[in-house]
Amino acid sequence: KNQVEQSPQSLIILEGKNCTLQCNYTVSPFSNLRWYKQDTGRGPVSLTIMTFSENTKSNGRYTATLDADTKQSSLHITASQLSDSASYICVVSASAGANNLFFGTGTRLTVIP
Amino acid sequence: NAGVTQTPKFQVLKTGQSMTLQCAQDMNHNSMYWYRQDPGMGLRLIYYSASEGTTDKGEVPNGYNVSRLNKREFSLRLESAAPSQTSVYFCATSLQGRDTQYFGPGTRLTVL
Repeated sequence: KNQVEQSPQSLIILEGKNCTLQCNYTVSPFSNLRWYKQDTGRGPVSLTIMTFSENTKSNGRYTATLDADTKQSSLHITASQLSDSASYICVVSASAGANNLFFGTGTRLTVIP
Repeated sequence: NAGVTQTPKFQVLKTGQSMTLQCAQDMNHNSMYWYRQDPGMGLRLIYYSASEGTTDKGEVPNGYNVSRLNKREFSLRLESAAPSQTSVYFCATSLQGRDTQYFGPGTRLTVL
């Protein structure tokens, strides 16, 4: 069964600290993996996209990694800011099938001063 | 350039009432989607339209209908609302099926 699991469910960190969010998936055949950021009361916004051949991709203070062998991805946030408080959603795309996007339930990150 | 717009932003219905959620995009994207988001369950696909003139069921289509009015507009209709349809509804678009999706701001619907 195609599934995407994220951990932790929620996380509280101090401003300026780093953190890492995890995403494990069983989606097959794999096409790509995206991380989205969803601010409270807003729609998700894409942060990164990673394909099978990519191990690391950065977007400012956000760095995503992908291990296609173990079917794991992580999103590392460096020097967190209050504006990083949001839910982070991992979305995996399969390369076959009509309904080919599988969503994780998200990690709720709260950055406190 | 508004991107993806949704109306209304908020709506309260009584059980059995009907309503239509509107979505419009000015990104010239081919594919459009309707999702619902419930606490602890993540985003679930209701219906999608891969291109103008086509619509297909997603993971949770029961109780909903859609219309791809033209390339820009994709509406979601609840014919007889039920409390189980209380949720936040998001419209999204992508250039093609597996491309990055761009989401609207959402419609928060409460069914009493």
